[in-house]
Amino acid sequence: AQKVTQAQTEISVVEKEDVTLDCVYETRDTTYYLFWYKQPPSGELVFLIRRNSFDEQNEISGRYSWNFQKSTSSFNFTITASQVVDSAVYFCALSGGGGANSKLTFGKGITLSVRP
Amino acid sequence: DTGVSQDPRHKITKRGQNVTFRCDPISEHNRLYWYRQTLGQGPEFLTYFQNEAQLEKSRLLSDRFSAERPKGSFSTLEIQRTEQGDSAMYLCASSLDAGGLGYGYTFGSGTRLTVV
Repeated sequence: AQKVTQAQTEISVVEKEDVTLDCVYETRDTTYYLFWYKQPPSGELVFLIRRNSFDEQNEISGRYSWNFQKSTSSFNFTITASQVVDSAVYFCALSGGGGANSKLTFGKGITLSVRP
Repeated sequence: DTGVSQDPRHKITKRGQNVTFRCDPISEHNRLYWYRQTLGQGPEFLTYFQNEAQLEKSRLLSDRFSAERPKGSFSTLEIQRTEQGDSAMYLCASSLDAGGLGYGYTFGSGTRLTVV
């Protein structure tokens, strides 16, 4: 069985602070994919990143960076110099077995509030 | 291409009534997924189609739920004899299965169902 744990439920920061969102996963698959999605108040899930289990390189995209560590089964997401527009619910998700196109198992999400 | 479209955006229905939702995927995507998201939770997988074939159904999909994807294009999700526990956001996603590489797993804005 696959499982994604996002232990943090709500985080509140002041604009320009850095913030890290934690994600821990469980899977028996040797090949799997990890995702982060952003869900603003409008409700649509916005794709942020996909990482496969064979690529442990950290990735940076503008103010966003991701740290994938297989040894601790974690895939953490850091927002540098947060902005009010970053306020949203962030979901970590996992797929496996059938590849990146198989069903996703989501965590419960982290509500991030960035105050001006 | 305008992404994944879902209709209606909101639906309020009385308990016991039947409802049907529609999803139009990205045109070149051959996989289509349905998820359900309740308040404060991450999306949960319901079912998915590869072209017109329904390949997997979750245990969450009771016999009151039925999904179709005629001709491998749009999909409909019908809930018969709705119950208050069916109140949730129903999300549709599509992707292009190309050797399992997982291109463009994209979500729609969802249909919010309220059963009164």
